[in-house]
Amino acid sequence: EPEVTQTPSHQVTQMGQEVILRCVPISNHLYFYWYRQILGQKVEFLVSFYNNEISEKSEIFDDQFSVERPDGSNFTLKIRSTKLEDSAMYFCASSVNWGGEAFFGQGTRLTVV
Amino acid sequence: GESVGLHLPTLSVQEGDNSSINCAYSNSASDYFIWYKQESGKGPQFIIDIRSNMDKRQGQRVTVLLNKTVKHLSLQIAATQPGDSAVYFCAENRVGGQNFVFGPGTRLSVLP
Repeated sequence: EPEVTQTPSHQVTQMGQEVILRCVPISNHLYFYWYRQILGQKVEFLVSFYNNEISEKSEIFDDQFSVERPDGSNFTLKIRSTKLEDSAMYFCASSVNWGGEAFFGQGTRLTVV
Repeated sequence: GESVGLHLPTLSVQEGDNSSINCAYSNSASDYFIWYKQESGKGPQFIIDIRSNMDKRQGQRVTVLLNKTVKHLSLQIAATQPGDSAVYFCAENRVGGQNFVFGPGTRLSVLP
């Protein structure tokens, strides 16, 4: 069964460092998303991406965040200068249709120290 | 030490009993809803969805009920099994939107 894959599964970084979280969405999907989940809290939307551009973003997704689809398979989330409060699980998701069922990856646990 | 984060509502059921997990959604313009299951250390997993033109949808051992009048969604699990233990989130998507708004989650514990 096709699935969304994310790497790494766990990343530890020092405050102020840049991190890149990587995702390979399901191959025939057209819409890509990043969500995050702070430990013990609910899943929060960060950004959606379609046709090589951001289509929606939340208040969380400030200038420190960026997304890119560098090639035909990868979808990345970059945090330029990490803060302690960026520590969370980051989930990538993809869907075939606009607003349709989103399939989630297993997540990357980001720990900022 | 001090704990942080939400204390999730917890539903404890005996193995073999039926479970009902509830969710109040916020946006009357939402037209598509999904129930996700999240096991510890994993990403949300799709269980069942429903569109606003329906009030009930059944899957294998699961049923979703939608009451648009009071903006309420429920997930019913028949004959609950130990493998059903997880946190369950409802998620809503408004008309024309691309992102899902997740509810706070309910932890389901299945007792042997």
